[in-house]
Amino acid sequence: ETGVTQSPTHLIKTRGQQVTLRCSSQSGHNTVSWYQQALGQGPQFIFQYYREEENGRGNFPPRFSGLQFPNYSSELNVNALELDDSALYLCASSLALAGARNEQFFGPGTRLTVL
Amino acid sequence: GENVEQHPSTLSVQEGDSAVIKCTYSDSASNYFPWYKQELGKRPQLIIDIRSNVGEKKDQRIAVTLNKTAKHFSLHITETQPEDSAVYFCAAIGGGGTSYGKLTFGQGTILTVHP
Repeated sequence: ETGVTQSPTHLIKTRGQQVTLRCSSQSGHNTVSWYQQALGQGPQFIFQYYREEENGRGNFPPRFSGLQFPNYSSELNVNALELDDSALYLCASSLALAGARNEQFFGPGTRLTVL
Repeated sequence: GENVEQHPSTLSVQEGDSAVIKCTYSDSASNYFPWYKQELGKRPQLIIDIRSNVGEKKDQRIAVTLNKTAKHFSLHITETQPEDSAVYFCAAIGGGGTSYGKLTFGQGTILTVHP
């Protein structure tokens, strides 16, 4: 058990709606990264949060936004949902030491379906 | 940014045989290379990793090799068992610029081990 938890497990939304996904990082970890995994593909990096600040972003539009809280848990928000946003959303936590970021442990994911 | 290519996309072996999956990466500053195993409907699980200052690492039936000059790394599974059947992803963490701290995944290899 990695200790990373995500909620909800599954979610169904319609086009144009907004969604918030949540992630609790593993105890002692200070960095959370979010990934989108479409069916049959590898996870794609969305963004990373380190000590409550965004620290790197992938090729995702601004309607994908996030937060990290003082306890290092995190939220992923997606506005104006599109059909292509349907995917498994994974968060991964890690401990950044002296600028080195490594050993990311994944949560179980949230399966988002957009109708 | 970093680009990771993974081959083969599917691999079918008989129980007891060895399996080898190969990946190449583009960012010479990448310094950490994890391998993840993902079973259907589950989270990616870290099975082994290697850092850029090491050429080979072994953990029981699993080994990873890294050739920094050629920018490729490989996963070797010996004495395969049916429970090794899953999708395997290689990944690289960028060492600088826009790739820093970000996991870039390969496309995945579907490994099937026949009893």
